[in-house]
Amino acid sequence: QQPVQSPQAVILREGEDAVINCSSSKALYSVHWYRQKHGEAPVFLMILLKGGEQKGHDKISASFNEKKQQSSLYLTASQLSYSGTYFCGTENRDDKIIFGKGTRLHILP
Amino acid sequence: DAGVTQSPTHLIKTRGQHVTLRCSPISGHKSVSWYQQVLGQGPQFIFQYYEKEERGRGNFPDRFSARQFPNYSSELNVNALLLGDSALYLCASSLVPLGHQPQHFGDGTRLSIL
Repeated sequence: QQPVQSPQAVILREGEDAVINCSSSKALYSVHWYRQKHGEAPVFLMILLKGGEQKGHDKISASFNEKKQQSSLYLTASQLSYSGTYFCGTENRDDKIIFGKGTRLHILP
Repeated sequence: DAGVTQSPTHLIKTRGQHVTLRCSPISGHKSVSWYQQVLGQGPQFIFQYYEKEERGRGNFPDRFSARQFPNYSSELNVNALLLGDSALYLCASSLVPLGHQPQHFGDGTRLSIL
């Protein structure tokens, strides 16, 4: 079952914050987050493995609510380099990662 | 260290032909997964291989097949190509085929069907 991402697209000014949500109708075992720039391969950002887990590096962080079968990606004080399409990938204990349709993020100077 | 390498980078075929795409994983990675990405969509899982064995298969027709070699490189084969097979085909490698391992993607092969 493909996870649902929201919003589909976001336009921000540099320095603003953004939240991208990912939800699944099935129980989640892990949630992956990737960023893909136009014409490039998806780049791994982070994995969340346990309910309640939060991770982050630089100004990008994520949380995983196992009970609600949801994950959120937080981008704080966005930089121009954050532009791209963000994908969540969910795994339901079968080692297959199913990706959402993506959230397009555009940062304006 | 070299990342995941895929070849060719671009390919143009006509309907009915077959195609072979190749992938070399990161050194030390034993699992390879293949994804199809249509413009504007997320990568869609096709196959996962580990130690030359198929570990998982997505919802794709039998025209799609793959294999993994003893050096962990992999090939994706698509027969009887259809216009709808036009897409970016991504290969990703990981240490082992577990859902809590990060996937490292190659730059992909862009396949165009005329």
